[in-house]
Amino acid sequence: GQNIDQPTEMTATEGAIVQINCTYQTSGFNGLFWYQQHAGEAPTFLSYNVLDGLEEKGRFSSFLSRSKGYSYLLLKELQMKDSASYLCAVSPMNYGGSQGNLIFGKGTKLSVKP
Amino acid sequence: DADVTQTPRNRITKTGKRIMLECSQTKGHDRMYWYRQDPGLGLQLIYYSFDVKDINKGEISDGYSVSRQAQAKFSLSLESAIPNQTALYFCATSDGDNYGYTFGSGTRLTVV
Repeated sequence: GQNIDQPTEMTATEGAIVQINCTYQTSGFNGLFWYQQHAGEAPTFLSYNVLDGLEEKGRFSSFLSRSKGYSYLLLKELQMKDSASYLCAVSPMNYGGSQGNLIFGKGTKLSVKP
Repeated sequence: DADVTQTPRNRITKTGKRIMLECSQTKGHDRMYWYRQDPGLGLQLIYYSFDVKDINKGEISDGYSVSRQAQAKFSLSLESAIPNQTALYFCATSDGDNYGYTFGSGTRLTVV
């Protein structure tokens, strides 16, 4: 089976750095995605990790450790517009290869305060 | 125009009614998905399709059916709507395993 855990809510201050963690247990693993979702809107793609290590994209970075079943999303220089939910999603595999779909965590609601 | 278009954006329907949610895409992607999102539960996969002749059940397919009319169109039906199907429904497309999803804007469905 698959299980994805991430904190329900986090609060941070404008200009600060915040790290959102995600742990997963899956029967097979093909890669991990992070999405941002503002309230009432569609999720939008932030990052994709398939190999261990850090991927950096501007203010956002994502890290993956496959052996530990662990990822984090790092947001730097927080802005008010970063207040949103952040979804961790795993691409699982089975005996035939990738299942071709994503399993989502329940999301972490980040509130950025002035 | 949006890459992935869902209609309607909002719908209120009565218990027992049949309702169809439609999704069309201009991305040219073969893979299409339907998810529902409930507060505190995250996104749950209902059905997905890798091409016109391929339909797969997701984790919560009971009470739903789908039709892949063309590469660009994937519709979700609730044959007899019930109140616990009240949720935000998202259609998504993908170009493959290493690519993320492109989501539609969502359909907010309320069953009364």
